[in-house]
Amino acid sequence: ETGVTQSPTHLIKTRGQQVTLRCSSQSGHNTVSWYQQALGQGPQFIFQYYREEENGRGNFPPRFSGLQFPNYSSELNVNALELDDSALYLCASSYSGSRLAETQYFGPGTRLLVL
Amino acid sequence: ILNVEQSPQSLHVQEGDSTNFTCSFPSSNFYALHWYRWETAKSPEALFVMTLNGDEKKKGRISATLNTKEGYSYLYIKGSQPEDSATYLCALESNYQLIWGAGTKLIIKP
Repeated sequence: ETGVTQSPTHLIKTRGQQVTLRCSSQSGHNTVSWYQQALGQGPQFIFQYYREEENGRGNFPPRFSGLQFPNYSSELNVNALELDDSALYLCASSYSGSRLAETQYFGPGTRLLVL
Repeated sequence: ILNVEQSPQSLHVQEGDSTNFTCSFPSSNFYALHWYRWETAKSPEALFVMTLNGDEKKKGRISATLNTKEGYSYLYIKGSQPEDSATYLCALESNYQLIWGAGTKLIIKP
């Protein structure tokens, strides 16, 4: 296993609600990336945090927001949930967001279902 | 927008046979090509990170090659075993994000 943990494992919400997903990075890693994987597709990059600052963002609306804490754990917040937000959400940690060709170590994901 | 394609979408292989599948991408500027192996209900597992044209990496029975000029990478599995059953994903690293293919689902038949 990678040492990256995510909680909860599964979650059911209704449209319009807000959700917070959590990620604990591998020890020594200061960078976390979040991805959304819809059924049958590859993961889509949401954003990356490096040392508590957003380091890059994919094509997701502002209602997707994040936080990285001093201990490098992280949260993904989604406001005003829509049905299309139903997906597997993955977080991945890496040693340093400032280096290229760095391996990202993934958690097992949180499965979100929006009804 | 970079587009990463993988083929085939799924593959059934007899135990003991060798197999390979493809990751295709536009041969434009990118930093690295990553391969991951993802078993159901587990975390994606990093296999290789390759950066240079002609790179070849090996891990046990699994190996990968990279051709940046023609825009493809091959993943090879020699002597497939049931534990190789998984989805294999490639991802292009560009601007600190990974741009993923949809994966090749490999099923090893005993």
